[in-house]
This record gives sequence, C-alpha cells and structure tokens, in this order.
Amino acid sequence: AQSVTQLDSQVPVFEEAPVELRCNYSSSVSVYLFWYVQYPNQGLQLLLKYLSGSTLVKGINGFEAEFNKSQTSFHLRKPSVHISDTAEYFCAVTLQAGTALIFGKGTTLSVSS
Amino acid sequence: EADIYQTPRYLVIGTGKKITLECSQTMGHDKMYWYQQDPGMELHLIHYSYGVNSTEKGDLSSESTVSRIRTEHFPLTLESARPSHTSQYLCASSGLSYGYTFGSGTRLTVV
Repeated sequence: AQSVTQLDSQVPVFEEAPVELRCNYSSSVSVYLFWYVQYPNQGLQLLLKYLSGSTLVKGINGFEAEFNKSQTSFHLRKPSVHISDTAEYFCAVTLQAGTALIFGKGTTLSVSS
Repeated sequence: EADIYQTPRYLVIGTGKKITLECSQTMGHDKMYWYQQDPGMELHLIHYSYGVNSTEKGDLSSESTVSRIRTEHFPLTLESARPSHTSQYLCASSGLSYGYTFGSGTRLTVV
C-alpha cells in the first residue's frame, strides 16, 4: 500500500525567504502526487499535481514541485514567500484516477515579517 | 460555478444525539469521499463511494455511516454522537480526470 511522509511538521520562515516543504512517498508502482493548501477554517485547495511528463510541476501562487522517482520524493518549493502563505500544506498520493487520496500528516508553514 | 457544498459549517451538539452531515456536489462526479481531520491536522479516509448505491469504509475505523442514493448527495450520519467524534469532517469528489474537489468542511464538537 502507498503512504506519504511529510518530513517537517512545522516550518517557520521570514517573509521573502525561500522555502522547501519535503514529501516522500512509498509505493511499488507508479503514483500520482498532489500538494494541497489549507487556510484556517477552510477546505483543501489544490496547489499542483504530478501525473506524468515533466518532473518539474508549476502550480498556483508561485509554488512548484519536483518529482524525483529515484528518491521517491515530491518536494514543494517557493523562491520567496509572503505572509499570506501561512497555512497548512498537505502532500497526497493516489494510484489511479478517482481512487481516494492518501495524505501525509501535513506541514505548518509560518511566515513572519 | 461547479462546486461541493457541506452543511453545517459548525455544529455543537450534546452526547447521544443523532446527527447528519450533508455533502452535495454539482459536478456530476461519480466518486465521493469523507475524510476526518484530527485537531493535529492529519486527514484520514473514513468512507468513500464510487457511485450510486455503492459505499465502502476507509482506512480509519469510524462509527459513522454513509449513503449514496443520488449521485450528487453523500450524507454522513452519526447515530449517537460522543465527545470522541469531535473533529473536522471534509467531503470531496472526483471525476474521470485527477481533479479532486474538497468542500469547506464541517467542524463538529460533541459536548
């Protein structure tokens, strides 16, 4: 069965600094990978997804992620964060379209001035 | 705009009460899901449905039940709420592509 590990539970950074949120997955077959963001008292919003093709995926709000099959990783990056990026970030995996997403435990990104 | 709706957004009820959390989507998606989100953020799949009259339990054992009588509607019911059921419940749906859409959630507090 597949699983997702988010390596950092909390990531504090200063505004305009770069950030990387780390995600590793475990699966013996091909997977499809997602990053979601959750703002306080809201549902999940899709940031980006990797299905196939280019291993560098660009998403909304200036975020990007790189799929690394050999290291089974899908780390999320942003070159310069804003206060408004403060939120919870979830990495998720599924094996095929329409089957349930399996989530990591989440990473709290806190951006301060 | 196509979307997924959850009601109520917040609910505080007493122990022993029966409650139903509503989830509806307007996208015609066959697949729908319920996730339970701990206060510490982790999301656990508790129920899913791949179509009308099809429901399955997820990875996390739950005392709740679900039904899928119409494509657009996937309610979750707790027959007798307990304080251990206090959590946030998120509903989601997906279509033929890899587009998963989430509702805003219901934050349940059982006192």
